[in-house]
Amino acid sequence: GAVVSQHPSRVICKSGTSVKIECRSLDFQATTMFWYRQFPKQSLMLMATSNEGSKATYEQGVEKDKFLINHASLTLSTLTVTSAHPEDSSFYICSARDPAGGNYGYTFGSGTRLTVV
Amino acid sequence: KQEVTQIPAALSVPEGENLVLNCSFTDSAIYNLQWFRQDPGKGLTSLLLIQSSQREQTSGRLNASLDKSSGRSTLYIAASQPGDSATYLCAVPQGGSEKLVFGKGTKLTVNP
Repeated sequence: GAVVSQHPSRVICKSGTSVKIECRSLDFQATTMFWYRQFPKQSLMLMATSNEGSKATYEQGVEKDKFLINHASLTLSTLTVTSAHPEDSSFYICSARDPAGGNYGYTFGSGTRLTVV
Repeated sequence: KQEVTQIPAALSVPEGENLVLNCSFTDSAIYNLQWFRQDPGKGLTSLLLIQSSQREQTSGRLNASLDKSSGRSTLYIAASQPGDSATYLCAVPQGGSEKLVFGKGTKLTVNP
């Protein structure tokens, strides 16, 4: 089945610094990837849709200048949290769908726990 | 706007029991519904994907049903095991898009 790799799994950074999270589709090409955010005991909320070779589309209320998304290849999307603040601490998960995967639906990465201190 | 509700929020059962998790959605114009499992601090593992033309899907001890007209889906877990302990999430597409809308999940604990 389709595999999505996300790195790093955990990161602690100082307030004001930037953090980059990578999401890779290992055995398929993904023209579209999705970035979600999850707060404790809450569901996943879609932040943005990452489109290969073009700008990402952000959901309402998500700051595009704070959460920079780059989808430079068919197998890699990155999310950079710029000038991070403690309120950005959260669990970030990416997903993608293998267009040739039939009924596999969406595959998710293992997530990144970001802690801003 | 699509909204997804999962009941109950938490469930604790003894090992071996059969159980049902519920998911309801407000916009029945969906083309599929997907059930996921999430272990603490981990990503999501896809369990079952039901296309809108299907009424149910089975995988091992798991069976998911879909009733589009009533906006409901159930996940049936047979002969539960401690290893089934996790949070179970259901998700449906937003409108005709590829964006998924998730419920808050049901936290399942299976006690040995």
